[in-house]
Amino acid sequence: AQRVTQPEKLLSVFKGAPVELKCNYSYSGSPELFWYVQYSRQRLQLLLRHISRESIKGFTADLNKGETSFHLKKPFAQEEDSAMYYCALMRRAQKLVFGQGTRLTINP
Amino acid sequence: EAGVAQSPRYKIIEKRQSVAFWCNPISGHATLYWYQQILGQGPKLLIQFQNNGVVDDSQLPKDRFSAERLKGVDSTLKIQPAKLEDSAVYLCASSSVRRGDNEQFFGPGTRLTVL
Repeated sequence: AQRVTQPEKLLSVFKGAPVELKCNYSYSGSPELFWYVQYSRQRLQLLLRHISRESIKGFTADLNKGETSFHLKKPFAQEEDSAMYYCALMRRAQKLVFGQGTRLTINP
Repeated sequence: EAGVAQSPRYKIIEKRQSVAFWCNPISGHATLYWYQQILGQGPKLLIQFQNNGVVDDSQLPKDRFSAERLKGVDSTLKIQPAKLEDSAVYLCASSSVRRGDNEQFFGPGTRLTVL
């Protein structure tokens, strides 16, 4: 069965510190993985996807098939990064399976 | 482009009552999704439409939930009768297969409280 696990429900770091949000998945095929973000009072939106291999708002994520992980990283956290982050896996026919989410808080 | 619209934004009902949610996807998006997000969890797909046909409703509790997208545009999701465990945020999303990038765009959600 396809599953996405985000082991940390809450993560708190200081401004300027590095951030890593963990995501592990189980999937029998070739996965397509995403990070979605929800800022306070805003709707859920796509942050980045592994196939684009780009950095968005300073965040990057590398797919590690050996460790079945897709951790989200940023070298220097900013206060505006505080949000709810969801890792998601896309199954066939465009179906998304979400993790439970990690609430990231950046302390000043 | 205008985003995905949903209404109402909030709804409070008593158990065993009925409720309906409405979604208007982004213009031209053929695929429409309904998700249920229970507090503290990630969104869970309930049903997926491609135009006006159902692609996947395997996780829809069909004894009480129903959804339709009659003209391939707007969609409604209904719960009848509601149970306490249906309290959640119901998210609608849409995507355009033609764009080829499979990004799903989400609406603001409807927060349902069942008392």
